[in-house]
Amino acid sequence: AQSVTQLDSQVPVFEEAPVELRCNYSSSVSVYLFWYVQYPNQGLQLLLKYLSGSTLVKGINGFEAEFNKSQTSFHLRKPSVHISDTAEYFCAVIDTGTASKLTFGTGTRLQVTL
Amino acid sequence: ETGVTQSPTHLIKTRGQQVTLRCSSQSGHNTVSWYQQALGQGPQFIFQYYREEENGRGNFPPRFSGLQFPNYSSELNVNALELDDSALYLCASSVQTGGFTEAFFGQGTRLTVV
Repeated sequence: AQSVTQLDSQVPVFEEAPVELRCNYSSSVSVYLFWYVQYPNQGLQLLLKYLSGSTLVKGINGFEAEFNKSQTSFHLRKPSVHISDTAEYFCAVIDTGTASKLTFGTGTRLQVTL
Repeated sequence: ETGVTQSPTHLIKTRGQQVTLRCSSQSGHNTVSWYQQALGQGPQFIFQYYREEENGRGNFPPRFSGLQFPNYSSELNVNALELDDSALYLCASSVQTGGFTEAFFGQGTRLTVV
């Protein structure tokens, strides 16, 4: 079984400031890792994913994340945020064996203000 | 636009009633997964269908059931609705190839049980 912990339920940040959204996971098996974004009244959009290879992955909208196996973390970062980045962000994992069921964290609300 | 459409977008039901939610998969996708997202929570896996057969189920009671049709569209049925069933229900479609493939989410159906 897998579990995902997003320690920060809300992260307020000023526009053009850097941001890091934290994600830690627990799993007895090998997993793939993901970050999704959800805008109000919409479904989930994939920001980026780690399947294998380089531990630093780049995604859409200028976001990147780093997989740290020893710390079982997959933190999301952006060097300079925009108002339009205001949304809910979800970290998720999937068992590499079955690759069927996504396990999500509880989400982090990123609030960008002027 | 992901090509995954869900209907209806919103509905209100009374406790004890039954509801059917619909999902039209992205063209060429043979796998559909359903998730329940309660307010302030991350999505929780309900079940997955692959080629019209259930292919994995989360921790949901039997009153949550589903169907997948030959055109790969899908239904989620919930009987004997309870107040706690109020949530956003998300459908995700993907292609089973033996490895990981990205799941594309619809915009969701907001169910309110009163």
